Amino acid sequence: DIQMTQSPSSVSASVGDRVTITCRASQDIMNWIAWYQQKPGKAPKLLIYAAYSLQSGVPSRFSGSGSGTDFTLTISSLQPEDFAVYYCQQASSIPPTFGGGTKVEIK
Amino acid sequence: EVQLVESGGALVQPGGSLRLSCAASGFIFSTSYLNWVRQAPGKGLEWVSLIYGSGHTNYADSVKGRFTISRDKSKNTLFLQMNSLRAEDTAVYYCARYLASSTNTGFDYWGQGTLVTVSA
Repeated sequence: DIQMTQSPSSVSASVGDRVTITCRASQDIMNWIAWYQQKPGKAPKLLIYAAYSLQSGVPSRFSGSGSGTDFTLTISSLQPEDFAVYYCQQASSIPPTFGGGTKVEIK
Repeated sequence: EVQLVESGGALVQPGGSLRLSCAASGFIFSTSYLNWVRQAPGKGLEWVSLIYGSGHTNYADSVKGRFTISRDKSKNTLFLQMNSLRAEDTAVYYCARYLASSTNTGFDYWGQGTLVTVSA
């Protein structure tokens, strides 16, 4: 199985900050990575798929980049509703595997 | 509007069985790739199983031989039959759909989740 290592595990940031979350795959996954946002007590929400494709309805302040083994999710200007846990997921092969999550907290 | 609604979660003893259901609406059920994904309390996400539009299935190693995914196309309902349950199966179970019926995308719609607790 492909391992996904996400960092940092948590980040404290203020409204308006630029936040970057990284994910490293244990092998080449080309651009087959998805990113999710999860708020307490809710199901995850798809933000980005295929590394940089923005899911319909997701604000443009979210962006993804990377290929091969190293990937990044960037929130260009953090908004109050963005405080949540973020997960990456490799979509290169079955089983799909998730990173451990990054909690974005209020500074 | 796409909707996925899970049911069937409960408290069950170790070694017991449970069947989860996921009622789907608002999309073409028969050709969609549908999954079960679980989340243990306070932990991350773990994929459990997939059923393709063809009916072919995949399972995580942790549940292979104990869990069975299936669907009833006439009722637009997805199921997860869970046997020989263990404490480590305790989690919220979500059904989720692959975007564009491709495993190279992500899960674009999720249900609200149903809690399974395995405890004596």
